[in-house]
Amino acid sequence: AQSVSQHNHHVILSEAASLELGCNYSYGGTVNLFWYVQYPGQHLQLLLKYFSGDPLVKGIKGFEAEFIKSKFSFNLRKPSVQWSDTAEYFCAVKSPAGPRKLSFGAGTTVTVRA
Amino acid sequence: DTEVTQTPKHLVMGMTNKKSLKCEQHMGHRAMYWYKQKAKKPPELMFVYSYEKLSINESVPSRFSPECPNSSLLNLHLHALQPEDSALYLCASSQSAGTSGPGDTGELFFGEGSRLTVL
Repeated sequence: AQSVSQHNHHVILSEAASLELGCNYSYGGTVNLFWYVQYPGQHLQLLLKYFSGDPLVKGIKGFEAEFIKSKFSFNLRKPSVQWSDTAEYFCAVKSPAGPRKLSFGAGTTVTVRA
Repeated sequence: DTEVTQTPKHLVMGMTNKKSLKCEQHMGHRAMYWYKQKAKKPPELMFVYSYEKLSINESVPSRFSPECPNSSLLNLHLHALQPEDSALYLCASSQSAGTSGPGDTGELFFGEGSRLTVL
């Protein structure tokens, strides 16, 4: 079975600050990795995904994530946040083989103060 | 805008009512999912349909009954729900539910959800 850990429950920062959200997974095989964002009152949106190739993945809205296989990590980063980045962020992991069960982390609430 | 459409957006029902949530996608995806999400919590998988057949039921109580009439539609029939079933119900779809094939990114596309309140 696979599980996902997000280390930060709630992150509060000011505009223009840099953001890094941690995500670790436990699964021995090949995985597909995702970061989803959920803005207040809105649906889940995909920020970025990793399947193979370059471990540094660039997503929408200036976000990027780095897959470090040896650390089973897929941390999300943004160099300079905006007030509009206030949202819930979910890391998710899926095995490409077998049933498509997407396992979510507990989520990190990010609050950006103007 | 999401390409997975869910109706209704909001639903209030009593514990004795029977209602249904509907989900539709026209991306040609062959896998569809129901998730339940409580406030400030991650989505929890309920059901997975693959090629219109139920492939995963995450031990969901029988008061939730899924149905996949065709490859584009997914319903969730609700009967005799409890107040603790109040949540956001999310539908999602993906190209397939099995092993990734050529061109299959494995990405799940989520709808906006149906917010259910059980009184």
